[in-house]
Amino acid sequence: SAVISQKPSRDICQRGTSLTIQCQVDSQVTMMFWYRQQPGQSLTLIATANQGSEATYESGFVIDKFPISRPNLTFSTLTVSNMSPEDSSIYLCSFRTGHTEAFFGQGTRLTVV
Amino acid sequence: GENVEQHPSTLSVQEGDSAVIKCTYSDSASNYFPWYKQELGKGPQLIIDIRSNVGEKKDQRIAVTLNKTAKHFSLHITETQPEDSAVYFCAASIRRDDKIIFGKGTRLHILP
Repeated sequence: SAVISQKPSRDICQRGTSLTIQCQVDSQVTMMFWYRQQPGQSLTLIATANQGSEATYESGFVIDKFPISRPNLTFSTLTVSNMSPEDSSIYLCSFRTGHTEAFFGQGTRLTVV
Repeated sequence: GENVEQHPSTLSVQEGDSAVIKCTYSDSASNYFPWYKQELGKGPQLIIDIRSNVGEKKDQRIAVTLNKTAKHFSLHITETQPEDSAVYFCAASIRRDDKIIFGKGTRLHILP
């Protein structure tokens, strides 16, 4: 199965700052997804990122707060902008190759102080 | 959009007994139903999945059943072992947009 690397694995950030999370896949994939998982909660989809097009955001998430880049078929970034303590969460990237299982990165544990 | 409900939120079973987790989905266009296991500090790992053209699938101690009419699907773990303790998520995916929507999760405790 493909390998997906996500970094940083964790970070502690000051409120008002921004953090960019990187996701690298070891093979070319069409669809990448970014999820948020608040402590003890389920995974909530933030957006879908396809190469060559603008990311599609889910209800409650906006591009100004969570800008996403997808420069090629193996890489994507998610930025959490102007952070507040409510943004403290685990952020996970994921990909699917066609209509198959989704693979997940290990997640980025973000704490905003 | 799709909505996935999962029950129970917590489940404790004696080692060796069976565990059953149940989910319902709202969108009849959903056609792919994966189950994920998440251990502490790790990303979710797929343990079994089923497509809408199949009613049941089994892989060793794990089985999944799907009732399309009722929009129900369930995970069955038999002969539970301590390493089965984790959080389990059901999910559903609609072919036309491929995003996967997750249930709220079930924390499974295997008691010695």
